[in-house]
Amino acid sequence: DGGITQSPKYLFRKEGQNVTLSCEQNLNHDAMYWYRQDPGQGLRLIYYSQIVNDFQKGDIAEGYSVSREKKESFPLTVTSAQKNPTAFYLCASTRDLGTGNQPQHFGDGTRLSIL
Amino acid sequence: AQSVTQPDIHITVSEGASLELRCNYSYGATPYLFWYVQSPGQGLQLLLKYFSGDTLVQGIKGFEAEFKRSQSSFNLRKPSVHWSDAAEYFCAVGEEQLTGGGNKLTFGTGTQLKVEL
Repeated sequence: DGGITQSPKYLFRKEGQNVTLSCEQNLNHDAMYWYRQDPGQGLRLIYYSQIVNDFQKGDIAEGYSVSREKKESFPLTVTSAQKNPTAFYLCASTRDLGTGNQPQHFGDGTRLSIL
Repeated sequence: AQSVTQPDIHITVSEGASLELRCNYSYGATPYLFWYVQSPGQGLQLLLKYFSGDTLVQGIKGFEAEFKRSQSSFNLRKPSVHWSDAAEYFCAVGEEQLTGGGNKLTFGTGTQLKVEL
């Protein structure tokens, strides 16, 4: 079955360290998204990508970076500039550029914690 | 800018009782509305969506939602709750387009549902 795979499920970061969260999809979707989830705040958009080699900042991009070298993959790097990285990170995708009527498909998330 | 309000942070119901989770949105045009469910430590699963047409939409797991334009609401309902329905529920509204294309979802802050046996 097609879906989105996020790894690892749990990740720990030391102070001053960059860490990369993996997101892979086999749905043949063009658009991919990264969200951050904090208790009581819902989901907030970090970055999104519509096509390979193109991505845009979301609402809370500071301290994060992404790449989109392959259609299937959209890794997120949490840099040392992100001062409060402890959160649950969710990757999502939609079929194509489309309009707002496309439901997003989500992975099972990565929980990042600070050591 | 669009926004979504879920006024109930926590709701507790008894198994077998009916359920209604509230969602109010702010959006200028006809909204694209979604309900998602999240089990602990998991991603979000789509329950149902509304784009146009019949204002009462049916979803998976016996859920339904009604779009009321006059009240800017999209409340989620279930006639009889099962213990396995305990989870967090998110309402979301879809924006027409993001810069460069694609769609953006604005999420509410979620409602945590507890089911008492």
